[in-house]
Amino acid sequence: DIVMTQTPLSLSVTPGQPASISCKSSQSLLHSDGKTYLYWFLQKPGQSPHLLIYEVSSRFSGVPDRFSGSGSGTDFTLKISRVEAEDVGVYYCMQGIHLPPYTFGQGTKLEIK
Amino acid sequence: EVQLVESGGGLVQPGRSLRLSCAASGFTFDDYAMHWVRQAPGKGLEWVSGINWNSGSIGYADSVKGRFTISRNNAKNSLYLQMNSLRPEDTALYYCAKGFIDNWNYDWFDSWGQGTLLTVSS
Repeated sequence: DIVMTQTPLSLSVTPGQPASISCKSSQSLLHSDGKTYLYWFLQKPGQSPHLLIYEVSSRFSGVPDRFSGSGSGTDFTLKISRVEAEDVGVYYCMQGIHLPPYTFGQGTKLEIK
Repeated sequence: EVQLVESGGGLVQPGRSLRLSCAASGFTFDDYAMHWVRQAPGKGLEWVSGINWNSGSIGYADSVKGRFTISRNNAKNSLYLQMNSLRPEDTALYYCAKGFIDNWNYDWFDSWGQGTLLTVSS
């Protein structure tokens, strides 16, 4: 199975400051179709996860533009340009190319200072 | 608005069986693949199984293969997970998730239910 490794596992950010989460996969997530099957989800406290970013850098419907994704091959990053209080929760990356199974990172817990 | 409502969880003894259900609404159910994803208490996310739009292709995690069976009834807009030979390590919140495409492969999960809790314990 593909191993997804996130760093850091937790971070505490002052509102208005940027935040960055790294995700590394044990194999390339680039498919021969040209797409890279890397996704980001946020699970807010007490809620189910929801999709933020698909295929590395495309924001899902309704996701604020302060969220951005980047990367290629095996190294990916989720950035929040200016953290807001509503951004607290656990962020997960996920790969969707070497299947089954889909595999998730361990999660990164974002807290507000 | 997409709605996914899971049901069927509960407390069950090791070795027993249980069936989870997911009632879908707000979208054309038979246009999309569907998935089950679980989360053990205080832990991360684990994909369990996926099924394409017409049940013609199905995938499982190794941890449940041979014990769990995913199915769907497009006429009833419903997804199911039959779980046999349950183990304590199957204890988790089970989420139903809608796929973005009609095939469970190369898919992603664009809507999630609130989950149903399964506890396997004697």
